[in-house]
Amino acid sequence: QKEVEQNSGPLSVPEGAIASLNCTYSDRGSQSFFWYRQYSGKSPELIMSIYSNGDKEDGRFTAQLNKASQYVSLLIRDSQPSDSATYLCAVNFHGGSTLTFGKGTMLLVS
Amino acid sequence: DTGVSQDPRHKITKRGQNVTFRCDPISEHNRLYWYRQTLGQGPEFLTYFQNEAQLEKSRLLSDRFSAERPKGSFSTLEIQRTEQGDSAMYLCASSPSDGNEKLFFGSGTQLSVL
Repeated sequence: QKEVEQNSGPLSVPEGAIASLNCTYSDRGSQSFFWYRQYSGKSPELIMSIYSNGDKEDGRFTAQLNKASQYVSLLIRDSQPSDSATYLCAVNFHGGSTLTFGKGTMLLVS
Repeated sequence: DTGVSQDPRHKITKRGQNVTFRCDPISEHNRLYWYRQTLGQGPEFLTYFQNEAQLEKSRLLSDRFSAERPKGSFSTLEIQRTEQGDSAMYLCASSPSDGNEKLFFGSGTQLSVL
């Protein structure tokens, strides 16, 4: 069974703090991992992709991947109220051509 | 590049009616995906096309659902004999098929079945 697990939240952080969002997945052979941001009533927007172990930084966002432990995380530095949204983790499972999404974690920055 | 376009944005229908949605992908993308999303859930895969070929369908896609991409450009998703459980956001996404499976989503069609 291909599963992507996320804590639904909400995760509340004060403005300026670091928000840490986590995701685990079921297939050790998975190769591609993505984070999407979704504002209420809107469609998902791709913000980060990561394919190899370690960290990948893009502005205030850092994606971290640990394939041995089967988790991927997203750090948001200097969190802003505009970061308040649901963050979806998506995995391209080994051998597949589609993405499987978690249920998302709601982030509230105030 | 105008992004992925979906039409209509909203659709209200009565149970038992047929509905059809349209998706225009990013022009250079040859993969097109349909997902469905309900409140509090992540997008669930329905089906995808590589050019005009429908390569994969989810078990979620009952025989009341049919999707086409006749010329490898735009796609349609039809739901026949709609049920209240079909109420959801229907999302279309496209991908450049470069092996990295990045999906770019349209604004979605919100379906309400009364």
